[in-house]
Amino acid sequence: KQEVTQIPAALSVPEGENLVLNCSFTDSAIYNLQWFRQDPGKGLTSLLLIQSSQREQTSGRLNASLDKSSGRSTLYIAASQPGDSATYLCAPQGGSEKLVFGKGTKLTVNP
Amino acid sequence: NAGVMQNPRHLVRRRGQEARLRCSPMKGHSHVYWYRQLPEEGLKFMVYLQKENIIDESGMPKERFSAEFPKEGPSILRIQQVVRGDSAAYFCASSPRSANEKLFFGSGTQLSVL
Repeated sequence: KQEVTQIPAALSVPEGENLVLNCSFTDSAIYNLQWFRQDPGKGLTSLLLIQSSQREQTSGRLNASLDKSSGRSTLYIAASQPGDSATYLCAPQGGSEKLVFGKGTKLTVNP
Repeated sequence: NAGVMQNPRHLVRRRGQEARLRCSPMKGHSHVYWYRQLPEEGLKFMVYLQKENIIDESGMPKERFSAEFPKEGPSILRIQQVVRGDSAAYFCASSPRSANEKLFFGSGTQLSVL
């Protein structure tokens, strides 16, 4: 059974700082891993999808890496902005085609 | 191309009533997933459907819960005889095909059981 852990649970940083969010998962037999952001009272927005054969994906100020064999992924956010404040969720997708979510990292970027 | 549409956004029911949650996937998407988010917990998978078929319902409680995705119309998650523990945010997601595709989520339905 896949279990996903995200560290830290919460993070508060000043604007402009670079930061790293961590995700670990127990079952390395995955198709891909997705990172999402969730704003309060809203749905999830997909940020990046990394295929199991890939090592990283980039979109703007976001970079996600995947080390499938060790069961780890990181989300790097460069030059953080107040608008980045949200909860970030990672979710590996396995053979059963369902995503398994961690509890997320709640990020606050202070102006 | 409208996103995944869920309605209602908020639903209040008394214990014992039925709750019906609707999800219209993105245009061209034939795969629908339902997730539930309890307070202070992560999203938990409930059910995965394709048109007229339930593919995986391993995350759905065996009693009182059912889901469908008919040939025409939205996907429906139905909860009979609701109890307070059913209070949660219910999210629907869709994808054009199946594995290895980005999932697009709706804004969710917040169910409150009095």
